[in-house]
Order: sequence, then structure tokens, then C-alpha cells
Amino acid sequence: GENVEQHPSTLSVQEGDSAVIKCTYSDSASNYFPWYKQELGKGPQLIIDIRSNVGEKKDQRIAVTLNKTAKHFSLHITETQPEDSAVYFCAAIIGDYKLSFGAGTTVTVRA
Amino acid sequence: EADIYQTPRYLVIGTGKKITLECSQTMGHDKMYWYQQDPGMELHLIHYSYGVNSTEKGDLSSESTVSRIRTEHFPLTLESARPSHTSQYLCASSEFTLGELFFGEGSRLTVL
Repeated sequence: GENVEQHPSTLSVQEGDSAVIKCTYSDSASNYFPWYKQELGKGPQLIIDIRSNVGEKKDQRIAVTLNKTAKHFSLHITETQPEDSAVYFCAAIIGDYKLSFGAGTTVTVRA
Repeated sequence: EADIYQTPRYLVIGTGKKITLECSQTMGHDKMYWYQQDPGMELHLIHYSYGVNSTEKGDLSSESTVSRIRTEHFPLTLESARPSHTSQYLCASSEFTLGELFFGEGSRLTVL
């Protein structure tokens, strides 16, 4: 959405390499930033989230970084595997506690 | 595993028909949402509810309507479907405002 911009729209990586997806948001009051993964034929599923009082959070091969001054946050996937192929969405809370989603990034991991 | 269910998963109907997309969750969540997901994959909030008898319109204008008579049930209705309504509709629920959304698997609607 216009409140959250996400780049790139598509990303192809070699298995074992890292993938990075970046998002920017417009509402300086935003304080919650989740990332969702959507596999084909399924609904999105939360994979990691970060709140504004934290600069970085890691969960195994997935990490998220947040720069509140610049109003951007990023998802990092290390040692990518074929099962990481999916569409990834960033999101931010805007206005009255509603989530605004980015346009999505289609990640393809090449074997 | 999320306990939120949508029916039907796929529906093809003719213009002018009335349809209801069903959404049920067994987690006791007060907050429920409907998102429309267009072919470009972007998710747009069209309706939300923070509890029984509470419904609000989302950021994307929609001709659909919703109701919330029971906590677990949040159906979406189109009184007269048009080809422009062709899309995927995703239902979600959450326990907290700043917390995880649990999504159903979606209802893909095609209006001929």
C-alpha cells in the first residue's frame, strides 16, 4: 500500500545464498513491523515481527532490522533453501492500529 | 496451526448473483478482518471487526458487507456480484491489536 513500500517485487537467489527484502513506511508513529510468508494456495503466515523499541531480531535463519530514524526495515534470510520460495509481505501499523501491507516480494530459490 | 476456516475455497458465479463468503475461527479472537488480494498479490483491508456487533470499513472501498453476530463467525456478502469483484478474499483474526494475524486459506471468487 502507499503507506508501506516494499522492494524488490521479485528476487531470485541461488540455494545457500542470502536474500534481503527492504521496506519503508510513512507513519513515524508506527511501532510494530511484522513479516508474513505466503505459500501457493495458502494464506499468509507470520514468520517474524519487531517492535520499535528493538533494532534487530533474529530467529534461526531469519532476521529483521529496523531503522526508525530512516523509517525502514528489512528481512534477511540466510542460507536459503528451496522451501523459502514464497511471497513475502512486510507490514506496519498505521493510523488507528490497522496493519498496512507492502506489495509483496516473490522469492525464488534456485537449486 | 491456525484454527480459522473459509468456505468456499473456490467459487465461480454469474453477474448479479448474491454470494456469502464464510469465515469461522475457533480461537476466541475478538478481532477479525477481511482482506482482498488482487492478482498483483497486494493485500487490502476491506472490513474489520473488534468484537460482536462491531464492524468497520477498511482502507479499500468495497461494495461488500459484513456482519458479526457471533465471536467466531464473520461472513462477507456481495448482494450483486460483478466481474470487478473477481479476486481472492482472505479472512484473518487476532487476539491482540499489535500481534499475529491468523489467516484462512482464502476464497477465490470469479464472477463471469
